[in-house]
Amino acid sequence: SAVISQKPSRDICQRGTSLTIQCQVDSQVTMMFWYRQQPGQSLTLIATANQGSEATYESGFVIDKFPISRPNLTFSTLTVSNMSPEDSSIYLCSVALAGPAYNEQFFGPGTRLTVL
Amino acid sequence: GDSVTQMEGPVTLSEEAFLTINCTYTATGYPSLFWYVQYPGEGLQLLLKATKADDKGSNKGFEATYRKETTSFHLEKGSVQVSDSAVYFCALYQFYFGTGTSLTVIP
Repeated sequence: SAVISQKPSRDICQRGTSLTIQCQVDSQVTMMFWYRQQPGQSLTLIATANQGSEATYESGFVIDKFPISRPNLTFSTLTVSNMSPEDSSIYLCSVALAGPAYNEQFFGPGTRLTVL
Repeated sequence: GDSVTQMEGPVTLSEEAFLTINCTYTATGYPSLFWYVQYPGEGLQLLLKATKADDKGSNKGFEATYRKETTSFHLEKGSVQVSDSAVYFCALYQFYFGTGTSLTVIP
């Protein structure tokens, strides 16, 4: 298993500003993912962040809006840029481990973002 | 495209009641299916999974059977407890999640 922490746990931000969310894992993992969970909706994958390469973004998400860093195998950041109220959501980091259970995911507690 | 449809909530049950949360999917191929649970104030965690047709995943008294003929993976528990109060998510492959079903169990 993996233990994941996220910072901040919540924040209230002004329109037009940016927020960087940190994700820390207690072990080295290859695959890290960032999700968005909007109120009353399912989790939506934003991007896959693999160490040593650029993040891979899902349809509807772009690097300019959601830049991601993955400097090592235990850490990643997601920035929400030029925020608007529509970006108010819970942002989740997750990891998948190698081996037979590769398609299981372990999730962080989430970052609750409110944009005014 | 691939997708998951999950029973809407919220669901409120009395302790020891029987629980069913419906989940159906649309997918090409033979996906792995998952149920995740999110307890209040905590992150999502894997509850159970099934990787092929007719597999039954089970954990903590919860069960779900992978039904290819009905493209379903319904979650069941025979006798719920207050501690089962949480939000439950059905998922397809790794990345396709349902909208979540909130369960509240009252004593």
